Amino acid sequence: GQQLNQSPQSMFIQEGEDVSMNCTSSSIFNTWLWYKQDPGEGPVLLIALYKAGELTSNGRLTAQFGITRKDSFLNISASIPSDVGIYFCAGQGMTSGTYKYIFGTGTRLKVLA
Amino acid sequence: SAVISQKPSRDICQRGTSLTIQCQVDSQVTMMFWYRQQPGQSLTLIATANQGSEATYESGFVIDKFPISRPNLTFSTLTVSNMSPEDSSIYLCSVLTPGTEYGYTFGSGTRLTVV
Repeated sequence: GQQLNQSPQSMFIQEGEDVSMNCTSSSIFNTWLWYKQDPGEGPVLLIALYKAGELTSNGRLTAQFGITRKDSFLNISASIPSDVGIYFCAGQGMTSGTYKYIFGTGTRLKVLA
Repeated sequence: SAVISQKPSRDICQRGTSLTIQCQVDSQVTMMFWYRQQPGQSLTLIATANQGSEATYESGFVIDKFPISRPNLTFSTLTVSNMSPEDSSIYLCSVLTPGTEYGYTFGSGTRLTVV
């Protein structure tokens, strides 16, 4: 079945640094979502992408829908301590139902003050 | 966006028992979704619950183990039956987020530990 691989699995960065993470698939997706999950909470939607090549920002976060439709990228600029958490990508396949998403394996981010 | 309340937030249960998790939404929604997040893992869809019809289960999940109720458009329950330690996970309910076309809003989850 379809799988989403996120990279890196985890990362430690210094406050103020920029962060990049990506999500890749062997299958084509027509929608990509990026979520953040804080400890003890459910995931919160950060950015939604609907078109190949689309670049969308939400504050210090920028995400892109890859041209091949098989990948997506999330960048965080000037990281701050509250950026710590787990970041998940989620993709909706071309052949799946309108509501079903596959979630990536997650990138665990820790920010050192 | 929708506000979702889940109860209980956490529980420790004996193996062989059952736990029912409640999910309340502050607005009427057609579909509610139940996810499982095993320790250190990603989210896996268990089933989709539509009001007025039986839930649709994903591969690997069965109604006898995870019975779901959907009595109205704002409420759903998920029961984890005959629990074993392998059922220790975070269980999350979610609904479609208005305005994002296909994005989800999640509840804060129920952290279940089976001993």
